[in-house]
Amino acid sequence: EVQLVESGGGLVQPGGSLRLSCAASGFTVSSNQLSWVRQAPRKGLEWVSVIYSGGSTNHADSVKGRFTISRDNSKNTLSLQMNSLRVEDTAVYYCVSGWGSWGQGTLVTVSS
Amino acid sequence: DVVMTQSPLSLPVTLGQPASISCRSSQSLVHSDGNTYLNWFQQRPGQSPRRLIYKVSNRDSGVPDRFSGSGSGTDFTLEISSMEAEDVGVYYCMQGTHWPWTFGQGTKVEIK
Repeated sequence: EVQLVESGGGLVQPGGSLRLSCAASGFTVSSNQLSWVRQAPRKGLEWVSVIYSGGSTNHADSVKGRFTISRDNSKNTLSLQMNSLRVEDTAVYYCVSGWGSWGQGTLVTVSS
Repeated sequence: DVVMTQSPLSLPVTLGQPASISCRSSQSLVHSDGNTYLNWFQQRPGQSPRRLIYKVSNRDSGVPDRFSGSGSGTDFTLEISSMEAEDVGVYYCMQGTHWPWTFGQGTKVEIK
């Protein structure tokens, strides 16, 4: 059974950094397309970043140059390094495998 | 970016009655590989999104057969043949053909 468990969310000041992690089980991260999707409070869904099985990545324009997606095959985890955080980055961040398996989400709050 | 436009945004439905949600894309979702990467997601209150339909009309495992997807090119539809209480939530269409992948605004389905 595929399971995704996010961690690392919390409160951070504007301009600060945070690193999200996603522990995967039931499959190997190196063999799947993995993504981060976020949902601002009472808002819709926005695709943030993806890493393909071959290792290439894509980021939404809204986070390009500030966020970096990566994976650790030895630990079977996915990460999202978030720098220069802005108030508008406040959201629940979901880890997604393919498009069909979602984690429970972790809340990131950017506020002074 | 491809804009996904859903209608209606709010849909009150009587239990046992059918429901239909429309999703239109600003450009064709036919990929160069011949597939059309149009997904439908359900997000129940307080839960993570769950994929119901992939590639326009394919139901995910465990999804009741009262849910069906149809369409082609730029026009797509999600139908619920007979509304049940557990179907309350927000439904999103999402295109995975063109990066950045994009979601519709969401349609809130509730009991009438």
